[in-house]
Amino acid sequence: DTGVSQNPRHKITKRGQNVTFRCDPISEHNRLYWYRQTLGQGPEFLTYFQNEAQLEKSRLLSDRFSAERPKGSFSTLEIQRTEQGDSAMYLCASSLGGVTDTQYFGPGTRLTVL
Amino acid sequence: AQSVSQHNHHVILSEAASLELGCNYSYGGTVNLFWYVQYPGQHLQLLLKYFSGDPLVKGIKGFEAEFIKSKFSFNLRKPSVQWSDTAEYFCAVNQNTGGFKTIFGAGTRLFVKA
Repeated sequence: DTGVSQNPRHKITKRGQNVTFRCDPISEHNRLYWYRQTLGQGPEFLTYFQNEAQLEKSRLLSDRFSAERPKGSFSTLEIQRTEQGDSAMYLCASSLGGVTDTQYFGPGTRLTVL
Repeated sequence: AQSVSQHNHHVILSEAASLELGCNYSYGGTVNLFWYVQYPGQHLQLLLKYFSGDPLVKGIKGFEAEFIKSKFSFNLRKPSVQWSDTAEYFCAVNQNTGGFKTIFGAGTRLFVKA
């Protein structure tokens, strides 16, 4: 399977704990995006990387959130001191870039904060 | 602020009925337009996309969409739906400048009765 993969698929944690998610993009895709999706809503942009550089962050991304893409391949999204409001599906997408940028999505990580 | 509006949150149709899902966006400048579909239990998949040229674009599974620039609209159509089209449909927009942050609509849940 050469699509975008995400791990874990599900994560249940207690409020106040830290969690980390991983995304492996389609190989050779230099752009990588993180989105959050809550029930009844479309995905909301969080941040994106061009290779290893994080080029844009949404105001949704509070100081408790950090994302990295150290070698320009896989990416991690960490949430510190989780809150119940962080419960959502976290989606990763990747693309080749260019003016006709088309993003391909992974299956997501569903986070439940108790 | 940039936004995408999908007119219907829930649509119920019988098999063989025609489908039209509305999408309007508020953006200035040149945009790229997408429709994504999410089948039950699956991840977001690209249905079709518009970048430039012929405003009537055809996608997979018999879907098509028409870009009407003057109306800031990109409506999705299918002449005859099937039970297997039951899914959630998301309209999305990005601009071919800068970060390609993609803005999604809230989605339309389509249920097709057999």
